[in-house]
Amino acid sequence: DAGITQSPRHKVTETGTPVTLRCHQTENHRYMYWYRQDPGHGLRLIHYSYGVKDTDKGEVSDGYSVSRSKTEDFLLTLESATSSQTSVYFCAINDPTSTDTQYFGPGTRLTVL
Amino acid sequence: SQQGEEDPQALSIQEGENATMNCSYKTSINNLQWYRQNSGRGLVHLILIRSNEREKHSGRLRVTLDTSKKSSSLLITASRAADTASYFCATDAEGAQKLVFGQGTRLTINP
Repeated sequence: DAGITQSPRHKVTETGTPVTLRCHQTENHRYMYWYRQDPGHGLRLIHYSYGVKDTDKGEVSDGYSVSRSKTEDFLLTLESATSSQTSVYFCAINDPTSTDTQYFGPGTRLTVL
Repeated sequence: SQQGEEDPQALSIQEGENATMNCSYKTSINNLQWYRQNSGRGLVHLILIRSNEREKHSGRLRVTLDTSKKSSSLLITASRAADTASYFCATDAEGAQKLVFGQGTRLTINP
């Protein structure tokens, strides 16, 4: 998976609790992304980062925040999880100086009860 | 917004047959990519075709792009059981370094 790890891989939590998902890369790529994947919707971009402390919103950013304090880590936080945030979350990285393609992590399956 | 729309949503064929998947998009693009996702795994990049290219090959994969019709097709020849997966197209229609994915085509290869 191109030097990308996600943790945890599975998580079950309750409505209203905070949740943080971590994406770690060893490739030193500048761009990092968080997507969610739901049946019937494909992958939708939540937030992305184009450098340390540089982030921007994607298509479905409501209810999510992100932080990137170092190149290798990109954190996705659900401040107060809701059942609608039950999904599979994928992190991806990209180095636009070498390729326009993205490399994906293995995913985190989050269930909010 | 869903930029890429894929057709069919599901496709089931016999091993050895060819599989064709289509992707349509709405706005101008610089490139279009195809990704594969095996069950329970992350997406894997297959091939990228730029807007000034009409056809591209990679092994058993052939991708075409028709910018006048805003459509692309992915052909997998001589399919194998290992090709069973979901296939997604993605465009850069919302800006460089941001991909917009279609809903995917679920391909099943029957032995």
